Amino acid sequence: EPEVTQTPSHQVTQMGQEVILRCVPISNHLYFYWYRQILGQKVEFLVSFYNNEISEKSEIFDDQFSVERPDGSNFTLKIRSTKLEDSAMYFCASSFYSGSHNEQFFGPGTRLTVL
Amino acid sequence: GQSLEQPSEVTAVEGAIVQINCTYQTSGFYGLSWYQQHDGGAPTFLSYNALDGLEETGRFSSFLSRSDSYGYLLLQELQMKDSASYFCAVRDRGLGGSQGNLIFGKGTKLSVKP
Repeated sequence: EPEVTQTPSHQVTQMGQEVILRCVPISNHLYFYWYRQILGQKVEFLVSFYNNEISEKSEIFDDQFSVERPDGSNFTLKIRSTKLEDSAMYFCASSFYSGSHNEQFFGPGTRLTVL
Repeated sequence: GQSLEQPSEVTAVEGAIVQINCTYQTSGFYGLSWYQQHDGGAPTFLSYNALDGLEETGRFSSFLSRSDSYGYLLLQELQMKDSASYFCAVRDRGLGGSQGNLIFGKGTKLSVKP
C-alpha cells in the first residue's frame, strides 16, 4: 500500500541553525501539507501546497519557514533559523483531492529537537 | 475562525462501547473528519461526514448533525489496540476556494482497560 515517507525520523539541532525536513508524498497525490504537533498538544496546520505553489498557510508559518518541491517526488520544509519553540513533531501529509472529501495521508513524522 | 471541542480523556473496558463527542464552530463547513493517533505515531484517517447522519465502517461509526454543529465517533467492541488519541477535524475555507487544510481538535485520549 502506498505511503508517505519522511526523513529523518529524528533531528537534533542547535538554536539558530537551519534544518530541512524531507517528505516523499504518495506518488499520484496532488496536494501536500505540513503540520506540526508540539508534545502532548493538538496537530496544527502549517502550510498546504499545490501546483508548485503555496495554497494556504497558517499564522505559524512565518518568514522562517519555506517549502519546496525540488523534484517530482520530494517535498521539503525548511526552517531557516530554529528556535527552541520549534521543537515538535512535524508531519507531512498528501491527498489526491482538495474537495469535499480529501482524506489526507500522513507520514510517520520527524521529531525536531532544538537545543 | 474555527474551534472544536472534544473531551480530553475517556476510559472504557474491553468489549464496551464508547462515544467521543465533538462540537465545532466554523465560518464555513466542509465536513467533519476523525483521525486516530497512537502514541508516537502519525494521524490516520478514520471517517468523514459531510451530510447529517451515521456513517458506519466496521466497529467504528461517525455521526454528524450540521444543525447542532455536533458530531461523534462511536467505537464498538473495544479492543486494547483502540487505546489512542482521537481527533475530530474540520476543513478551513481558504483563499481562492482552497479547502484542503485540516483544523484539528485537541484530541481525546482513549484508554481501554482489560
